Amino acid sequence: NAGVTQTPKFRILKIGQSMTLQCTQDMNHNYMYWYRQDPGMGLKLIYYSVGAGITDKGEVPNGYNVSRSTTEDFPLRLELAAPSQTSVYFCASNDLGQRTSTRGNTIYFGEGSWLTVV
Amino acid sequence: KNQVEQSPQSLIILEGKNCTLQCNYTVSPFSNLRWYKQDTGRGPVSLTIMTFSENTKSNGRYTATLDADTKQSSLHITASQLSDSASYICVVRHAGGGNKLTFGTGTQLKVEL
Repeated sequence: NAGVTQTPKFRILKIGQSMTLQCTQDMNHNYMYWYRQDPGMGLKLIYYSVGAGITDKGEVPNGYNVSRSTTEDFPLRLELAAPSQTSVYFCASNDLGQRTSTRGNTIYFGEGSWLTVV
Repeated sequence: KNQVEQSPQSLIILEGKNCTLQCNYTVSPFSNLRWYKQDTGRGPVSLTIMTFSENTKSNGRYTATLDADTKQSSLHITASQLSDSASYICVVRHAGGGNKLTFGTGTQLKVEL
């Protein structure tokens, strides 16, 4: 039972480089999210998706893009990395509103991806 | 402005002792309040979810309380263990459409021998 899986765990990028953080969940959840966590700050929502083919901006979407071609996968794309994007990124999912929901709306988080832009 | 404030920011206690973490929120309209435990280098893991009508909920040695009138919640940890050392995050969900959450900045707890 893998839950939410993120890769890579750690990555160092140079300014202007691009990369994709991968996220997959095996719980058939409809909602998926990307958060960033900066030191001393609460998690901030970057983008979220309510289902395959549907994505929407969160609080801090600038500099990021997402796609949701399948229920399982929700990759986060950084096109032109900037030092301000140095952070820890968490992918999450839950089954809000689904008929098969049995755990309320507990959100399950991945293990995090540590990204440094230099 | 919808905010979630936690106190204390950090706390050090001896193993076996009890402690209480506080969460005050201004989120409105309110749907539910969650406490998460985040171990260093890991993702947050849910401890409890409390709705408007729930005053107390326990999960093992963790007991959460909610006063929806004063918009305050607490997380009480009994007989602390070294493994309780972590950041404890209070998260409030907004009522209405979508799944908007506001996260507190967390209380960093360290349990020492």
